[in-house]
Amino acid sequence: GESVGLHLPTLSVQEGDNSIINCAYSNSASDYFIWYKQESGKGPQFIIDIRSNMDKRQGQRVTVLLNKTVKHLSLQIAATQPGDSAVYFCAESYSGGGADGLTFGKGTHLIIQP
Amino acid sequence: DTEVTQTPKHLVMGMTNKKSLKCEQHMGHRAMYWYKQKAKKPPELMFVYSYEKLSINESVPSRFSPECPNSSLLNLHLHALQPEDSALYLCASSQDLSGTSGEAEQYFGPGTRLTVT
Repeated sequence: GESVGLHLPTLSVQEGDNSIINCAYSNSASDYFIWYKQESGKGPQFIIDIRSNMDKRQGQRVTVLLNKTVKHLSLQIAATQPGDSAVYFCAESYSGGGADGLTFGKGTHLIIQP
Repeated sequence: DTEVTQTPKHLVMGMTNKKSLKCEQHMGHRAMYWYKQKAKKPPELMFVYSYEKLSINESVPSRFSPECPNSSLLNLHLHALQPEDSALYLCASSQDLSGTSGEAEQYFGPGTRLTVT
C-alpha cells in the first residue's frame, strides 16, 4: 500500500506464518533489485537480490519474485519469527552492477504477532 | 569482514559549527555511498564515489562536502547546516562491477544520527 504522511504501510502476521511484502518499482530500465531489512536504530541489512534476467531467486527462508511486466517485486518470508520484525525496503538500480546509487521504495513495517 | 563502520554514532551541532562524519570499510570495495534517511522514510542517495572519484552528486547543497581520502575511507564534511538537515546519515560500500554480472549488493553502516540545533 501507499504510505500516508509519516505512517509506513504495516503488515501484521502470526509467528510461524508466511509473509509476503510487495513493492512497485518506478524505472522500467532498472536491472538490479535488492531487499533490505532495517531494525530500529540500525542501518539497512541486505537480505536478497535479483537481476532483471531472472524472475525468482531463493535464499534461506526468503524468496524474491520479480515481474517486469508490471514492475512489481515481492519478498516472501517463510515461517516468520519474532526476529523478522523490522521495516523492509525494496531498492532498485540501473547500472549493470556498477557504482550506481539505489532508489528505495517507501518501506513496509512487518510486525510479528506471538 | 563485511562491516562498514561509521563515527560518531550521534552528533549534535549548531548551525554555525563545522563537523565531519566518517565511514570506513575493509572489504576492498571501490564504490562508496552517502545516503540521508529521515524518520519513517526510505534512505535517499546523496553521493557516490567510484575508485575514489566523485561520480554522482544528487544535487546536494554545498553545505555537505564529501571526501574520499583513500579506498577505505569516506568522509562527509558539514558546515552551516539547517535544522531540517537533522537525519540519520548512512554510509554504504559495494564492489564496482560495471558491466559484469557479479554480486553488487551495498553494505550499509549503522549510520550517524545527526541533530542540528
